[in-house]
Amino acid sequence: AQKITQTQPGMFVQEKEAVTLDCTYDTSDPSYGLFWYKQPSSGEMIFLIYQGSYDQQNATEGRYSLNFQKARKSANLVISASQLGDSAMYFCAMSASSNTGKLIFGQGTTLQVKP
Amino acid sequence: EAGVAQSPRYKIIEKRQSVAFWCNPISGHATLYWYQQILGQGPKLLIQFQNNGVVDDSQLPKDRFSAERLKGVDSTLKIQPAKLEDSAVYLCASTITSGFHTDTQYFGPGTRLTVL
Repeated sequence: AQKITQTQPGMFVQEKEAVTLDCTYDTSDPSYGLFWYKQPSSGEMIFLIYQGSYDQQNATEGRYSLNFQKARKSANLVISASQLGDSAMYFCAMSASSNTGKLIFGQGTTLQVKP
Repeated sequence: EAGVAQSPRYKIIEKRQSVAFWCNPISGHATLYWYQQILGQGPKLLIQFQNNGVVDDSQLPKDRFSAERLKGVDSTLKIQPAKLEDSAVYLCASTITSGFHTDTQYFGPGTRLTVL
C-alpha cells in the first residue's frame, strides 16, 4: 500500500522569502511518481511539479523545485520568492506502477504568505 | 486547449435526495477519474475509467453511488440517496494516456456538495 504524509498543517512565510513544504511517502513499488498540487480557495487542483522515482535530478518548474531524497523517502516542495498569490493549500501525491495511475494524496499543508 | 469542465459548481440537497454531477475531460484524454475530497482532507479516488470501461471502483460506495462514461468522453456521477457524510467536493480529473503512474492528472474546478 502507498501512503503520503504531510506533517505541517499550516505554514507562514514572508513575501519574497523561500519556503519548504514537507512530504514523506511510503511504497514498496520500485517505480512511482510524486506530484505536488496547489489548491486555492476556489477549489481547483493545479498541477505544480512532478518527480519520477528514477529521475537523477531534482525537478524544477519556475519558482518551484522538488527536493527529492529517495533514501529518506521524502519529496519536499521548495517555493522561492514567495508571492501573495501563493497562499493556498498544497498537496503532495503519489502514483505507483502497481495502482493503475490513481493518485494517493496527503492531508495537505496550508500556506499563508504575509505581505 | 479547454480544461476539464464540471457542473454544477455548487449543489445543496437534503439527505435521502438524489444528485448528479457531470464531467467533461480534456479533449482526447483517455482516462477519467472521480475523487471525493472531504473538508480538511486530501482527495480520495472513487472511480477510474479508461475510455468507457471501469478500471478501479474499489472505493466507490456502490449501494448509493454510481458512475458512467458511456461514449468514453464525458461522465456522470450519481448519489442516490445522499447521506450527510457525502458532503464534500467532487473532483474530476483526466489524463491523456491509459493510467500510467507517470501521467499528470488535470483537474476540473470541482462540485461542492452540501447535504442538509
